[in-house]
Amino acid sequence: AQSVAQPEDQVNVAEGNPLTVKCTYSVSGNPYLFWYVQYPNRGLQFLLKYITGDNLVKGSYGFEAEFNKSQTSFHLKKPSALVSDSALYFCAVRPHTGGFKTIFGAGTRLFVKA
Amino acid sequence: DTAVSQTPKYLVTQMGNDKSIKCEQNLGHDTMYWYKQDSKKFLKIMFSYNNKELIINETVPNRFSPKSPDKAHLNLHINSLELGDSAVYFCASSQGSPTSGDTQYFGPGTRLTVL
Repeated sequence: AQSVAQPEDQVNVAEGNPLTVKCTYSVSGNPYLFWYVQYPNRGLQFLLKYITGDNLVKGSYGFEAEFNKSQTSFHLKKPSALVSDSALYFCAVRPHTGGFKTIFGAGTRLFVKA
Repeated sequence: DTAVSQTPKYLVTQMGNDKSIKCEQNLGHDTMYWYKQDSKKFLKIMFSYNNKELIINETVPNRFSPKSPDKAHLNLHINSLELGDSAVYFCASSQGSPTSGDTQYFGPGTRLTVL
């Protein structure tokens, strides 16, 4: 079965420190990979995506993610966390085949402490 | 202008009632989606329409019925509401090419509370 795993329910980091939110996936073939962020009482917002090409993808608000095919991972990173980065982060995968269905991970809550 | 809008934002109703949630997008996208987010924030696809055609229909009770009058609108009607239907329902849209990694744009959500 195709799935997305975000192994950490919560990540805590001090402001100014680097942050990593982990994501691994299990799908057949090469997928499209996404990160979305959800602030309280808001809808999901797109952060970045991997389609093809360079394994390091840069996105909004200084976030980046690295696609690792051998480890089937797509971890989200930021060199220096801000308190305003505190939110719920979703990793999502869309297989190249199978139509329009996107599979979302369970989400990781990021807390950045001042 | 709001790209993806939903009405109402909050919906409180009694068990057994029938209710509808409306969604509109002004992005010119071909594909629209309904997602359910439960109390643990888990996001699950319910339905998707592409050019007014139903293309995704997950295992959802048949009390839930989507309707797409045109490409810009996707409504969700729920019959005989149950306590377990309480959740936040998100509408989303995307350009809709099945061969590209098109980004989804989400509405603000409708918080449904069934009493």
